[in-house]
Amino acid sequence: DAGITQSPRHKVTETGTPVTLRCHQTENHRYMYWYRQDPGHGLRLIHYSYGVKDTDKGEVSDGYSVSRSKTEDFLLTLESATSSQTSVYFCAAGDQTTDTQYFGPGTRLTVL
Amino acid sequence: SQQGEEDPQALSIQEGENATMNCSYKTSINNLQWYRQNSGRGLVHLILIRSNEREKHSGRLRVTLDTSKKSSSLLITASRAADTASYFCATVFSGNTPLVFGKGTRLSVIA
Repeated sequence: DAGITQSPRHKVTETGTPVTLRCHQTENHRYMYWYRQDPGHGLRLIHYSYGVKDTDKGEVSDGYSVSRSKTEDFLLTLESATSSQTSVYFCAAGDQTTDTQYFGPGTRLTVL
Repeated sequence: SQQGEEDPQALSIQEGENATMNCSYKTSINNLQWYRQNSGRGLVHLILIRSNEREKHSGRLRVTLDTSKKSSSLLITASRAADTASYFCATVFSGNTPLVFGKGTRLSVIA
């Protein structure tokens, strides 16, 4: 998975609780991305970062926030988890928006 | 939506046969990429083809791009059981915008 790790790999939580997912990369990529993958929808971009403290919204950003305080770490936070946020979350990283993205192994999140 | 669309949604073939998947998109692109996802894993980049290219090869993979028809195809020759996976096209549109992924084609190669 090209030096990209995600933690936790699995999480079950209850509606209304805050959840933070972590993505860590070791290749010094400038760009980092958070996607969610749901049956029938493919991968949809939640937020992305183009540098430390520089982030932007993706297609499905409502209910999510992100932070990037170091090049290697990109955090995704669900402030108050809802059942509709049950999904598999993937982190990716790359050097240009136009170039190859390298993906982490994914985090399966279940919100009860 | 700018999302590319793969066709077919699912494909089942015998080992040794060729597999062809198609991707259509709606607006002009900078490049188009194909990714593979094995069950329970992250996506892995296969090949990138730029808007001024018509064909690229990588091992048993052949990708074509027809910008006039706004479509691309991925051909896997002499398929193997290990090629069983979902395949996604991802488009990069003109400008500094991130990749947009399609919904994928699920390929099953039967030994």
